[in-house]
Amino acid sequence: NAGVMQNPRHLVRRRGQEARLRCSPMKGHSHVYWYRQLPEEGLKFMVYLQKENIIDESGMPKERFSAEFPKEGPSILRIQQVVRGDSAAYFCASSPPHRATETQYFGPGTRLLVL
Amino acid sequence: KNQVEQSPQSLIILEGKNCTLQCNYTVSPFSNLRWYKQDTGRGPVSLTIMTFSENTKSNGRYTATLDADTKQSSLHITASQLSDSASYICVVSPQSGGYQKVTFGTGTKLQVIP
Repeated sequence: NAGVMQNPRHLVRRRGQEARLRCSPMKGHSHVYWYRQLPEEGLKFMVYLQKENIIDESGMPKERFSAEFPKEGPSILRIQQVVRGDSAAYFCASSPPHRATETQYFGPGTRLLVL
Repeated sequence: KNQVEQSPQSLIILEGKNCTLQCNYTVSPFSNLRWYKQDTGRGPVSLTIMTFSENTKSNGRYTATLDADTKQSSLHITASQLSDSASYICVVSPQSGGYQKVTFGTGTKLQVIP
């Protein structure tokens, strides 16, 4: 049973470009969470999704950021018109259905560098 | 505002020695407290999870304690190994709002040297 997978592991973008980060949850998991970790800081919650539904996006910036978790395929975190301040590690985590309060399993993260 | 503070920020110990990491939180009421280990360049991995009614939880050489009255938790590592070098993160979930409302500490960076 493969763990949570994220790709790419590293992503370099120039200011103004778009960044697309992908997350495939563990098999059987239908809850996905996205977190952002700035250098020397803790993880910050961004968004919580279930299949085809955004449950809580209170941690996500209102502009330029969007997330989806389609019925088929990975969850996508999309950042439009990236700025230098978007440079960070973005982690995805998943948990089983009906057990959202149980342990989350984290992916290896995508490190985004905006030049 | 819910906060989770960890100390020390960083720690260097000799291989084979024990150490204790601290976590103080203001989340109240709270549902559970977890300790994660995050190796450099990797995602966090869960070590222990405790509800408010539990005082201690062990996972191999890792032992977490919880005092819900003083809102303090500690993670004790026994007979440290080089592979214990990592950041250790304390995470607190409030009683309401579900897991997505958790608060992460900034972590303690542990370095074990030979």
